[in-house]
Amino acid sequence: KNEVEQSPQNLTAQEGEFITINCSYSVGISALHWLQQHPGGGIVSLFMLSSGKKKHGRLIATINIQEKHSSLHITASHPRDSAVYICAVTEGETSGSRLTFGEGTQLTVNP
Amino acid sequence: DAGITQSPRHKVTETGTPVTLRCHQTENHRYMYWYRQDPGHGLRLIHYSYGVKDTDKGEVSDGYSVSRSKTEDFLLTLESATSSQTSVYFCAIGGRRTEAFFGQGTRLTVV
Repeated sequence: KNEVEQSPQNLTAQEGEFITINCSYSVGISALHWLQQHPGGGIVSLFMLSSGKKKHGRLIATINIQEKHSSLHITASHPRDSAVYICAVTEGETSGSRLTFGEGTQLTVNP
Repeated sequence: DAGITQSPRHKVTETGTPVTLRCHQTENHRYMYWYRQDPGHGLRLIHYSYGVKDTDKGEVSDGYSVSRSKTEDFLLTLESATSSQTSVYFCAIGGRRTEAFFGQGTRLTVV
């Protein structure tokens, strides 16, 4: 079992829909990251969370430390949101700041 | 954007040849990481560095070596490239108390 599990693996939505991607982890963490990767592209950080909730434009990320669960929400989805979304965690204090990754969620938003 | 660049961006090499990938950062981060990204496996840690001349192995380190002679540069070397090392390689910094920043990636093909 992977230390970081994402669901769903693939998600297809119509433009305008509200989207949720989930991430569960099994280790103690100091931070959780949501990353975005467009096809053939680099990896961009969307959020870093250690508690609570953050919002950037149409993107919202939440984390529940007790339940070891995080969600990424996209409101009013748009075709340009089509990408792979990756959840990653920074484990406890002894592991530096290296990341452990989920396998990613492929999101396709159709016009 | 964080200053982290990788070179080369693309490389095709023959089996058995040595290959060196370079990661350069201008953020003065102590920790630097090399990951590889493969379909079905997501991103996996190859090696990391926690300071000049201080490096350690990740989960997929066999066949790879690294060096860090300056804070800003972290080199990944494939001593004798094999087809199983065909992959996309990402360098990264940050992740504990800061967002994680990734280089643009290097697409390596071993023929």
